Amino acid sequence: QSALTQPPSASGSPGQSVTISCTGTSSDVGGYNYVSWYQQQHPGKAPKLVIYDVSKRPSGVPDRFSGSKSGNTASLTVSGLQAEDEADYYCNSYAGNRNYVFGTGTKVTVL
Amino acid sequence: QVHLVQSGAEVKKPGASVKVSCKTSGYTFTSHHIHWVRQAPGQGLEWVGIINPADRRPTYPQNLQGRVTITTDTSTSTVYMEMSSLRSEDTAVYYCVRDGGNWGDLDYWGQGTLVTVSS
Repeated sequence: QSALTQPPSASGSPGQSVTISCTGTSSDVGGYNYVSWYQQQHPGKAPKLVIYDVSKRPSGVPDRFSGSKSGNTASLTVSGLQAEDEADYYCNSYAGNRNYVFGTGTKVTVL
Repeated sequence: QVHLVQSGAEVKKPGASVKVSCKTSGYTFTSHHIHWVRQAPGQGLEWVGIINPADRRPTYPQNLQGRVTITTDTSTSTVYMEMSSLRSEDTAVYYCVRDGGNWGDLDYWGQGTLVTVSS
């Protein structure tokens, strides 16, 4: 199972939006509506769930975070960027037969 | 509150085995799958496996089949991850993570356990 492909970096100014892509195959991202996204603010600190089931937000996550999917590519959009959004972001997808796969990770910088 | 508390850091020699524990509390143990995820220094997240505490059935990724074993002790609500034939590439922080029940919504994370493989 190969890692899902994410861009290494993305950036935006405060108040702007940034969108991160997560590309897989029809065996994972394209085959199931079970894509989740995680924010990791510091290496060594446990990641935090920000989106699940492609576009659902857990309680307590600001509505500035949104998710979508088209074909084999899922996306996370952070609107109204704030300094606290600077972090590494990882996607994850169900891949069938109780298997899961993470994306390669994207470092988001708030300029 | 939901808590996942992991055992402490380990240093192992190449070829040895390591067993990391994850004690859960604050919810019904058999109602949620538990994942293991690892992160090598400076690297991304890697899925290590999953277990359903209700039937104790584990699933492992192909690249770790034969080297990783995930088990549960329902009497203590604890999950264990054992990795054998350790290599330097297995040096990483290992996390146990609860699945919220929506197929891969990893909602509660343990604090992480650093496993260092070095001669």
